[in-house]
Amino acid sequence: AQSVTQLDSQVPVFEEAPVELRCNYSSSVSVYLFWYVQYPNQGLQLLLKYLSGSTLVKGINGFEAEFNKSQTSFHLRKPSVHISDTAEYFCAREDTGRRALTFGSGTRLQVQP
Amino acid sequence: DTEVTQTPKHLVMGMTNKKSLKCEQHMGHRAMYWYKQKAKKPPELMFVYSYEKLSINESVPSRFSPECPNSSLLNLHLHALQPEDSALYLCASSQESEQFFGPGTRLTVL
Repeated sequence: AQSVTQLDSQVPVFEEAPVELRCNYSSSVSVYLFWYVQYPNQGLQLLLKYLSGSTLVKGINGFEAEFNKSQTSFHLRKPSVHISDTAEYFCAREDTGRRALTFGSGTRLQVQP
Repeated sequence: DTEVTQTPKHLVMGMTNKKSLKCEQHMGHRAMYWYKQKAKKPPELMFVYSYEKLSINESVPSRFSPECPNSSLLNLHLHALQPEDSALYLCASSQESEQFFGPGTRLTVL
């Protein structure tokens, strides 16, 4: 089965510091990649997606991610985090021909003042 | 309208009850999904409907019964659930490759 791995279950960071949340995926001929954010007691909101084209993808709230095919990675970055970025972040994949998402285990971003 | 709505927000039911979860979208999306999310875990796919037909069933127990009455509505009928079925149930819809999620129904089975 195709998989997504988020190595860090929790990432504590101070406000205004940069952050990187790591995501690796098992190799596939064709894959779409996504980052979603989930605030407490809410559904998931799409931050950004990679379908094709430019490997640097910019999303909402100042987040960006880089698709790296050789390293099968899709790490999420933000140059300066805010307290309000505290949430659970999920990396996900969709394999061509299967209209369903497979999620990583999630990374809890905890922004401290 | 770029929203997926889910009702109810919270549901508490006994193991002998029959209840239904409802999901609605008016974005013209032709694919709709049910996911189950346990606490501190990622969402897990349960069902996918494409053009109102069930296209994926991830070996979900028959006590969960999905229904897609029309292209805007998706129901999940619940019967004889177990306490371990307590979770957040998320609905999503998509047209292309971006899935839009609803806020979820928090289900507690006593």
